Amino acid sequence: LAKTTQPISMDSYEGQEVNITCSHNNIATNDYITWYQQFPSQGPRFIIQGYKTKVTNEVASLFIPADRKSSTLSLPRVSLSDTAVYYCLVGGMDTGRRALTFGSGTRLQVQP
Amino acid sequence: DTGVSQDPRHKITKRGQNVTFRCDPISEHNRLYWYRQTLGQGPEFLTYFQNEAQLEKSRLLSDRFSAERPKGSFSTLEIQRTEQGDSAMYLCASSLAADTLTKLFFGSGTQLSVL
Repeated sequence: LAKTTQPISMDSYEGQEVNITCSHNNIATNDYITWYQQFPSQGPRFIIQGYKTKVTNEVASLFIPADRKSSTLSLPRVSLSDTAVYYCLVGGMDTGRRALTFGSGTRLQVQP
Repeated sequence: DTGVSQDPRHKITKRGQNVTFRCDPISEHNRLYWYRQTLGQGPEFLTYFQNEAQLEKSRLLSDRFSAERPKGSFSTLEIQRTEQGDSAMYLCASSLAADTLTKLFFGSGTQLSVL
């Protein structure tokens, strides 16, 4: 599975838009890009998944450039409750290697 | 609630004791994973089941750890002769075989403290 690189931490203020970028230079043709959110003492929660261009749901948007070597998770108008750790994962359908590596993620701190 | 359920939420045990955790996945999900997470780190893969078959196991997992998924439904993770280094959050996740490998649904975890 493709290795990913994310910033260790980010700070923002309530009401601002937050963009978290993930690098995945060796992404494979069949890989998707998936983002998770994790609050303390809870399991990670699936936020959004995409393959190319832009995906939007009620929580976030995911921007993927044409070369797919990076992706950006965009959180519009963050609130204090968006303070969490965000993980980027890259992988496709089952090819026999299921040991997903989450990495340390990006710690987002939202200030009032 | 039809999400992934884990029991217990918290477990405190003494070093050397055996502990067992249970995971009930989302009912139609045939993939099931166990992960371990320590403070400040991302989840670390332990093992994977497709239906009742255990298809992958981390090389980091000692032989004190064993997992089962009888009948392809709920799963149990047992740790024998616990050590202080086993203290962590143990997470269970499930997914559909029709989805990508990276689309997982996690439970709230079992926090293990070994004294």
